[in-house]
Amino acid sequence: DTEVTQTPKHLVMGMTNKKSLKCEQHMGHRAMYWYKQKAKKPPELMFVYSYEKLSINESVPSRFSPECPNSSLLNLHLHALQPEDSALYLCASSQETGGQGTDTQYFGPGTRLTVL
Amino acid sequence: GNSVTQMEGPVTLSEEAFLTINCTYTATGYPSLFWYVQYPGEGLQLLLKATKADDKGSNKGFEATYRKETTSFHLEKGSVQVSDSAVYFCALRNTGGFKTIFGAGTRLFVKA
Repeated sequence: DTEVTQTPKHLVMGMTNKKSLKCEQHMGHRAMYWYKQKAKKPPELMFVYSYEKLSINESVPSRFSPECPNSSLLNLHLHALQPEDSALYLCASSQETGGQGTDTQYFGPGTRLTVL
Repeated sequence: GNSVTQMEGPVTLSEEAFLTINCTYTATGYPSLFWYVQYPGEGLQLLLKATKADDKGSNKGFEATYRKETTSFHLEKGSVQVSDSAVYFCALRNTGGFKTIFGAGTRLFVKA
């Protein structure tokens, strides 16, 4: 099974709301990722967790706050977003027990976020 | 640095036509190479991969061969179907970074 699940599938929020995106994998993968994808563009990396520790933060604004409660779960907490943050948010995971960063990434179906 | 270049789209083909989507890369060392497919409104699905030179990845009739001498990983399919209409991303992962380098994506339309 190579499934990464994400909830919710769609989310509409106002600029003053606080919401969270959730991601789960049960493949025993030790690296988990958040990406942002705008229409007709490739995904852009936001955060990487390796062994439940934040490994990469691609200079993402603080209104996005990631959390990795355990090795299977990854959250993205959203607060005071702007309309330009509307996008498809993708979660991914990869095995990376060798720590090389070259293993296959498996992506979830994404959360379509609209900020009003 | 690492980079991936894909042919510009969109590509429009008739059903049962032959498909080639070109992908070339720049990287040091020995990256792993991937093709992902994204259907409308969905996430990325791994289509195929190759981890070393001369490896051929294949899945669902699609094939790509890792060519180190030409730094290429072109995607091919002998007979496309309407259901293959999607965006295709070429990507590489190299050691030491956890980062995936994506090409710009190529949109494929297949007409019945």
